[in-house]
Amino acid sequence: DAGVTQSPTHLIKTRGQQVTLRCSPISGHKSVSWYQQVLGQGPQFIFQYYEKEERGRGNFPDRFSARQFPNYSSELNVNALLLGDSALYLCASSLRGLEQYFGPGTRLTVT
Amino acid sequence: KNEVEQSPQNLTAQEGEFITINCSYSVGISALHWLQQHPGGGIVSLFMLSSGKKKHGRLIATINIQEKHSSLHITASHPRDSAVYICPPSGMRFGAGTRLTVKP
Repeated sequence: DAGVTQSPTHLIKTRGQQVTLRCSPISGHKSVSWYQQVLGQGPQFIFQYYEKEERGRGNFPDRFSARQFPNYSSELNVNALLLGDSALYLCASSLRGLEQYFGPGTRLTVT
Repeated sequence: KNEVEQSPQNLTAQEGEFITINCSYSVGISALHWLQQHPGGGIVSLFMLSSGKKKHGRLIATINIQEKHSSLHITASHPRDSAVYICPPSGMRFGAGTRLTVKP
C-alpha cells in the first residue's frame, strides 16, 4: 500500500508569489493535517480536515488556506509568500484524527 | 503556555545506555503519539498510546492518562537512534522535542 504522498518534493518561489502544495492520504484515511516545520524547530500545526470540513486551525495568518477534496486528498495554499514561509511542509493522514501517518514533506524555499 | 512539556530538551548518551524521555501535558487528552525525526528526514510515527505500555524492539512507551504523563524508553541505545523525539497529543500541537545524540 502506498503511504502518504506529497507533491512537489521541492520548490523555490519568490516573495509575493503564491504556492499550492498537494497531499494524498493513505487509502481509506479521511483526515488530513498540515504542519509547517521551520529548520531547527518542531512541526507547527496549520490545519486539520476531516470529511472535507475544517476541524482545526493553528495560529497561522489568513494567507494560509487549505481544502480537502471528495477523494480526501488535500491542498495547502499560501498567498503573498514571505521569506519566513520557507520551511518543510508536512502532511499527515489518519482514519479519525488519531494515529497519524506522515508524508515525506515538501520543502519550500522563498527567495 | 505550552500544552506539552518534554524533558530533557537535549540528551547525549553513550552507546548501550538506557534512555528515558518524558512528556507531560496540561490538557486532557485521549491519546498521544511518539514521533521520531532524523536530521533532514521525514517524521516516523513510533507509537500511538491511549493507555498502558507498548513495546517495539528496543523502544518502550508508557502512558498514564490520569497523571497526564508519558515516557519513551530506549534500551541498549545505538548511534542510529540519534534523532529528535516528539510527543504530541493526538492530532494537534507539537513541541520542539528532545534531541537525542548517541555516541559510539
